[in-house]
Amino acid sequence: DAEITQSPRHKITETGRQVTLACHQTWNHNNMFWYRQDLGHGLRLIHYSYGVQDTNKGEVSDGYSVSRSNTEDLPLTLESAASSQTSVYFCASSEPQDRKQFFGPGTRLTVL
Amino acid sequence: QQQVKQSPQSLIVQKGGISIINCAYENTAFDYFPWYQQFPGKGPALLIAIRPDVSEKKEGRFTISFNKSAKQFSLHIMDSQPGDSATYFCAARGYSSASKIIFGSGTRLSIRP
Repeated sequence: DAEITQSPRHKITETGRQVTLACHQTWNHNNMFWYRQDLGHGLRLIHYSYGVQDTNKGEVSDGYSVSRSNTEDLPLTLESAASSQTSVYFCASSEPQDRKQFFGPGTRLTVL
Repeated sequence: QQQVKQSPQSLIVQKGGISIINCAYENTAFDYFPWYQQFPGKGPALLIAIRPDVSEKKEGRFTISFNKSAKQFSLHIMDSQPGDSATYFCAARGYSSASKIIFGSGTRLSIRP
């Protein structure tokens, strides 16, 4: 069965360190998204991609970057982790003509 | 104008009761309104969705009511069960395939046995 996976599921890091969260989908979807989930804020869009070599900034992109070198993967990098980036991160994917997004299981990131 | 406002933030309902979660939007370009359900430790999953050309959509115990003139929509869970305890997100999206989904802030629903 097709799926979307995230790794690691839990990560603790220190302020100032670079962190990369992985997202891999086997749906062969062109569209991929990264969200962060914080209490009271719901899901906020960080970055998104509509295909290989395409990346776009979302609502809360400061301090984050993504790259899309193939269809299956969209890694999210925190260049210099800050305590304000402590959150649960979700990756999602969809087909352009399909409004349904499929979400991964999430990565809980703690920045100390 | 891009916001989707959701209420309440949390809700406790007795087993067998009706759970109601409300959302409001401003952008009239939105034309797809999904609800996502999220269990603890899991990612959100699409529960039910509606287009603005209908006023109601029902799937089992879950119903979306849509009021286009008021720019409001709501999720009703009939005969609420403990297994319905989860966080629910309303959302909205425009017609274009390039449109992004805008999520509400979420409602944590607890069904008391």
